[in-house]
Amino acid sequence: GAVVSQHPSRVICKSGTSVKIECRSLDFQATTMFWYRQFPKKSLMLMATSNEGSKATYEQGVEKDKFLINHASLTLSTLTVTSAHPEDSSFYICSARDHQRKVYNEQFFGPGTRLTVL
Amino acid sequence: AQKVTQAQTEISVVEKEDVTLDCVYETRDTTYYLFWYKQPPSGELVFLIRRNSFDEQNEISGRYSWNFQKSTSSFNFTITASQVVDSAVYFCALTFTHSGYSTLTFGKGTMLLVSP
Repeated sequence: GAVVSQHPSRVICKSGTSVKIECRSLDFQATTMFWYRQFPKKSLMLMATSNEGSKATYEQGVEKDKFLINHASLTLSTLTVTSAHPEDSSFYICSARDHQRKVYNEQFFGPGTRLTVL
Repeated sequence: AQKVTQAQTEISVVEKEDVTLDCVYETRDTTYYLFWYKQPPSGELVFLIRRNSFDEQNEISGRYSWNFQKSTSSFNFTITASQVVDSAVYFCALTFTHSGYSTLTFGKGTMLLVSP
């Protein structure tokens, strides 16, 4: 149980295009999902907290118009990188909290999406 | 402010050696959780352990053991008789309440290289 999937696992795109990354909780409902970014050999940095049915909460320094987050259902959150540029190349990881087990404060992580912008 | 410090950037050991990964944290919360994750080259985070702030009992799981000491704000991780498959980046993480939500802050990670 508590499986989170991400799609795609890897994407290469041209500069100026937009890329959508999906994060799904497969066997549980997630009212809250998180999006992290990880540069090579660096730690995970929280980008935003996504709540079903409401606007995402972005961390300081993260451009809301650049990284669009939509959490339309209890099992799906999407991150869209708009007008991507090479500096947006990174490893993006989502996580989800099980609505029924939130007392443990545990987040279940997706396998990550490696974005390369040419 | 919440902070997790993993002072060891990289550790290299030879197979069968024991190795301890250090984690020191800072928090203002009275209730919090600490985690260890393993990140192999594939990138996927693998959950290893969760510990809440009220449970200082040490834990052993196979070759893995954890030492939680609230007095020194440390949550160290020891691998006994290391194996090549243990090579990965290991992250220590701490929950904190932020903008009304509980989320995680990660240490910078320790890369463990186990050679044959």
